[in-house]
Amino acid sequence: DAGVIQSPRHEVTEMGQEVTLRCKPISGHDYLFWYRQTMMRGLELLIYFNNNVPIDDSGMPEDRFSAKMPNASFSTLKIQPSEPRDSAVYFCASSFWGPSGNTIYFGEGSWLTVV
Amino acid sequence: GNSVTQMEGPVTLSEEAFLTINCTYTATGYPSLFWYVQYPGEGLQLLLKATKADDKGSNKGFEATYRKETTSFHLEKGSVQVSDSAVYFCALSGGSQGNLIFGKGTKLSVKP
Repeated sequence: DAGVIQSPRHEVTEMGQEVTLRCKPISGHDYLFWYRQTMMRGLELLIYFNNNVPIDDSGMPEDRFSAKMPNASFSTLKIQPSEPRDSAVYFCASSFWGPSGNTIYFGEGSWLTVV
Repeated sequence: GNSVTQMEGPVTLSEEAFLTINCTYTATGYPSLFWYVQYPGEGLQLLLKATKADDKGSNKGFEATYRKETTSFHLEKGSVQVSDSAVYFCALSGGSQGNLIFGKGTKLSVKP
């Protein structure tokens, strides 16, 4: 399996611009997660989906952030407008809830810098 | 609520030294427990897991035993290598929510 695929791997953008991060989960997985990692806050769960439906978005920082999952093989995380404090690594992850529980598999991350 | 506490780093060891990274948890029910590793510039990778009490997860020379009586899942390796330098995250899952709760991570540096 190709694993969780994220794009872009690196993005540098100017403050105020819209940023769209993309994710293709592992085929057959029914959960999809978006995490953010910074030095200050560590790893934070932003939002997760089950069967394409958002289950918990309490980690989304503010209205500038939005996430969608239009189908089982694609999700986006959008920041509009972006701010320098949004600079972080954004990870997408997916999992399948099976008999032995739930193991989450991470993508390689999208490294965002907002200047 | 559920939570994970792991020892703060950084941890610096010489090659071939013994490694222990402590992890304790608070949870209702019977969570599964995980260790993830993050190498520089990469995403998190599953290192090992245990799904019930007294289970031992192992991989690449690393081991951790699910201890319900002490609510712990300490990571150990008998002889570390420079290539083990990374950040290690303890995590737990439970209930029907599907997500994981992560510790803050412990950075390990192994010197030749």
